[in-house]
Amino acid sequence: AQSVTQPDIHITVSEGASLELRCNYSYGATPYLFWYVQSPGQGLQLLLKYFSGDTLVQGIKGFEAEFKRSQSSFNLRKPSVHWSDAAEYFCAVGAQYGGSQGNLIFGKGTKLSVKP
Amino acid sequence: EAGVAQSPRYKIIEKRQSVAFWCNPISGHATLYWYQQILGQGPKLLIQFQNNGVVDDSQLPKDRFSAERLKGVDSTLKIQPAKLEDSAVYLCASSLVSQGLRGEQYFGPGTRLTVT
Repeated sequence: AQSVTQPDIHITVSEGASLELRCNYSYGATPYLFWYVQSPGQGLQLLLKYFSGDTLVQGIKGFEAEFKRSQSSFNLRKPSVHWSDAAEYFCAVGAQYGGSQGNLIFGKGTKLSVKP
Repeated sequence: EAGVAQSPRYKIIEKRQSVAFWCNPISGHATLYWYQQILGQGPKLLIQFQNNGVVDDSQLPKDRFSAERLKGVDSTLKIQPAKLEDSAVYLCASSLVSQGLRGEQYFGPGTRLTVT
């Protein structure tokens, strides 16, 4: 069965420092992979997605992620974190089956705190 | 462009009571999703509609949860009777049916349900 693991529940980084959030997935075929961000009291916003092609994907707000098939990973990175990046980040894998348009299976999320 | 609208934003009920949530998707989005997000977890799909038809309700607890999308636009999710473990944020999302998983799911702000 498809699954997503985000090993880090909570990460704290200093403003201006680099960031890497880890995501490992389990999926039989080539996966569709996504990173979403959720600010307090808000819905989820898509940061970036990977379907095929270049394994380094650029997203909004200066984020990027790299797909590594050999490691079943899709880690999210940002070279310099801003205080406004404090939020919860969710990795998701897309699964398409039956007559559905496809569903997202989410990890448990990583909460990012930013120190001034 | 208006986003996905949900109401109410917050609801507190006692166990065994009933509750209903409303969602209005982005105009033109034929696919609508309801997710349940329990504290500390990622969102979990409850039901997916394409227009007014259900395409996936495999994770919907049908003994107490029901959902409808009668005219293929807005949707309601109902819980009757509620249990303590139903306390969660209920997220609605929509997407363009023609893009399947390649299309972005746009999320509403959610309804936070507390069952006491």
